[in-house]
Amino acid sequence: DTAVSQTPKYLVTQMGNDKSIKCEQNLGHDTMYWYKQDSKKFLKIMFSYNNKELIINETVPNRFSPKSPDKAHLNLHINSLELGDSAVYFCASGLAERETQYFGPGTRLLVL
Amino acid sequence: QKEVEQNSGPLSVPEGAIASLNCTYSDRVSQSFFWYRQYSGKSPELIMSIYSNGDKEDGRFTAQLNKASQYVSLLIRDSQPSDSATYLCAVNIRKTSYDKVIFGPGTSLSVIP
Repeated sequence: DTAVSQTPKYLVTQMGNDKSIKCEQNLGHDTMYWYKQDSKKFLKIMFSYNNKELIINETVPNRFSPKSPDKAHLNLHINSLELGDSAVYFCASGLAERETQYFGPGTRLLVL
Repeated sequence: QKEVEQNSGPLSVPEGAIASLNCTYSDRVSQSFFWYRQYSGKSPELIMSIYSNGDKEDGRFTAQLNKASQYVSLLIRDSQPSDSATYLCAVNIRKTSYDKVIFGPGTSLSVIP
């Protein structure tokens, strides 16, 4: 069983569309994260949740909205997609905020 | 000063040599330090975590932490071509009411056969 899974793995879409990425972890962790990795490979945190509660909300456009229906799931919805949103989005989970993080396989988003 | 800094590389070493990767951080009260490895097209995976000053060894990997100097390093002994990847240093930064792990920009390592 995959510890942290994301769907879809690839996402190609047009500018202006709305899309969602789903993440699930079966590790029993309380904390989940969304990261964006751009073309320069810099991994930047976007959001973190602890037991369904939003903890970190970095300076991310309002078009990005995370949702955690339960502590095993953290989804990311993106409205009005822009060219600059093209990147790899990683979901991760961990026991606590300062502990080891386990990453999902990533979702490669390409906005045309 | 950026919160976590690394030499971007690429760092090239011959097979069998020691690869030395360095990382500096700005938050003096950081408690947790991590080294992740990321192969091209894959997700980051943990190699080592270190929480106390000194050395921590795991197989061919040794992490070194010096909190006074605010640096953490990773040594890879007997480097193999399979070690070729990007190595990400991550440091826990204590904010007012929560902790945040910040990743450095990564160092690209190439081990030449």
